[in-house]
Amino acid sequence: QVQLVQSGAEVKKPGASVKVSCKASGYTFTSYTIHWLRQAPGQRLEWMGWISAGNGNTKYSQKFQGRVTLTRDTSASTAYMELSSLRSEDTAVFFCARDGTGSANDFWGQGTLVTVSS
Amino acid sequence: EIVLTQSPGTLSLSPGERATLSCRASQSVSSSYLAWYQQKPGQAPRLLIYAASSRATGIPDRFSGSGSGTDFTLTISRLEPEDFAVYYCQQYDTAPRTFGQGTKVEIK
Repeated sequence: QVQLVQSGAEVKKPGASVKVSCKASGYTFTSYTIHWLRQAPGQRLEWMGWISAGNGNTKYSQKFQGRVTLTRDTSASTAYMELSSLRSEDTAVFFCARDGTGSANDFWGQGTLVTVSS
Repeated sequence: EIVLTQSPGTLSLSPGERATLSCRASQSVSSSYLAWYQQKPGQAPRLLIYAASSRATGIPDRFSGSGSGTDFTLTISRLEPEDFAVYYCQQYDTAPRTFGQGTKVEIK
């Protein structure tokens, strides 16, 4: 069965960077695009960007452009999201999600809580 | 970017009742690119409906989606206890993909 398993919770200081992983299983990793999304406490979901697991092409939301970097390791069937220059407002749960059924996000990781605090 | 506004913010209903959730877009969205998700506390969103009216795999037929242009609706025909959750609409027609602010369906 399709699964996306994310790395564990992180606590970071303002100005630091965080790198979250998303390991895929149960399907051909390189055949799908992976999206990254953020959900701050009490807020709606925000789309951050996507990476084509096949060719590595990326597209970023303007809101996060310059601070987010999406990469993937095809040998490990894993996608990564790195967010830099962290500030307290970045405290949120970050999700990876597959671009699948009808191009909607059909499978999601369990989420990774990133807390930014001095 | 396309702004999605959901209404009502909270829906208080009893099991067995019908739930009607609305999602309005700030500009026209192709019906092929409108989805609905269910999210329970501490969990990731779960895809219910894609392309405005197609049920995702394994989704019960009490969930249905409709609409076009700027107005879309998610209907739950008879609420089951496991349906009490927050529901989000999403457009993936135009980048950036955007979500509504959510409708919470709570037990009355």
